[in-house]
Amino acid sequence: GAGVSQSPSNKVTEKGKDVELRCDPISGHTALYWYRQSLGQGLEFLIYFQGNSAPDKSGLPSDRFSAERTGGSVSTLTIQRTQQEDSAVYLCASSTLAGEQYFGAGTRLSVL
Amino acid sequence: AQTVTQSQPEMSVQEAETVTLSCTYDTSESDYYLFWYKQPPSRQMILVIRQEAYKQQNATENRFSVNFQKAAKSFSLKISDSQLGDAAMYFCAQLNPTSGTYKYIFGTGTRLKVLA
Repeated sequence: GAGVSQSPSNKVTEKGKDVELRCDPISGHTALYWYRQSLGQGLEFLIYFQGNSAPDKSGLPSDRFSAERTGGSVSTLTIQRTQQEDSAVYLCASSTLAGEQYFGAGTRLSVL
Repeated sequence: AQTVTQSQPEMSVQEAETVTLSCTYDTSESDYYLFWYKQPPSRQMILVIRQEAYKQQNATENRFSVNFQKAAKSFSLKISDSQLGDAAMYFCAQLNPTSGTYKYIFGTGTRLKVLA
């Protein structure tokens, strides 16, 4: 595909369940970013991966959040024991080094 | 510390008129990148315009142009001949790779309404 692909587009889960959100970046982009956006709000940085370097996890809000990037390509954001305050849109973006970010359409997570 | 401030939570503009969205930033680096992103109601973020700090010339993309004032650390976006499709959230962002990180710093956004 030509753009950043995120799946699922919508996810409804029950409080306490684990969820996995997937991001498929643009081929050849070395950097991959995860953001969280609450309704009508700005972007909250979560984590980024750059090539083979250790990821910058400084934005992860708690140890219930984790992410991995396999083979320098696809990334999965995992939220364990989801809470209602985790409800938000999760955006993924990829870029070349110091290039513009290309964003996916996001995953809307609703925790009931 | 690297920061980005958008002081206008919401702006309105009449169709076909011109509007300017403000953005100020702070960085101790001399070489960096600045961006304006647009997020329409469909929520997909797209790049509007990009400026390299070492370039003195203001970037332009069709109806979109910036006023980059490096000394004042100001990076405003001007939208000319506003169209209904310009209605969206606009985010200003900076990237400071010489500081050792490729983390983008975003402002809180400005919601632009275009009035018919």
